[in-house]
Amino acid sequence: GDSVTQMEGPVTLSEEAFLTINCTYTATGYPSLFWYVQYPGEGLQLLLKATKADDKGSNKGFEATYRKETTSFHLEKGSVQVSDSAVYFCALSKSGGSNYKLTFGKGTLLTVNP
Amino acid sequence: DTGVSQNPRHKITKRGQNVTFRCDPISEHNRLYWYRQTLGQGPEFLTYFQNEAQLEKSRLLSDRFSAERPKGSFSTLEIQRTEQGDSAMYLCASSLTSGSRADTQYFGPGTRLTVL
Repeated sequence: GDSVTQMEGPVTLSEEAFLTINCTYTATGYPSLFWYVQYPGEGLQLLLKATKADDKGSNKGFEATYRKETTSFHLEKGSVQVSDSAVYFCALSKSGGSNYKLTFGKGTLLTVNP
Repeated sequence: DTGVSQNPRHKITKRGQNVTFRCDPISEHNRLYWYRQTLGQGPEFLTYFQNEAQLEKSRLLSDRFSAERPKGSFSTLEIQRTEQGDSAMYLCASSLTSGSRADTQYFGPGTRLTVL
């Protein structure tokens, strides 16, 4: 079945450091790929998405590129802030008819220190 | 757009009791999803509705679980005879039916269930 593997956390960085969170997937066909973020005490929020190979999703300084050849969708940010501290989830969806159910990775906890 | 809302936010119950959670999706969204998230794990798909029709159920959804969406708007998830293993965060999400954002789900804050 479909699966998502993402970098184990926790990840601890200093403010303004470069961030990479690795994500690889296994799926047949052409899934859409997502990064969701969960801030403490809040629900999941969509951070960015990409729907086809070589697409780059970007939002709030975060970027991820859909790499079909390596089945990857790594999340990057050039300069993290304390406010980026959260749990980040990589996910995929495929349309099985009309059901775009999401398959998530386990999540990566990011802590950014001032 | 008030977002997806879920009630209650927290529920503590004793083993063997029944519990019911409610989800109110974004008003124009016809698709509604339920997920379960346990500590240290990503959310796992439970079930999916398009309008009032429940179109798919995961193997995770045992016979003790039932979900409804009677008028195609809000949805309820009931767990009968709760067990300690049911303790988790239950998440609801909704999405549009068509267009470029049909694959984008918007999540509620979740209901955290603790079974004692």
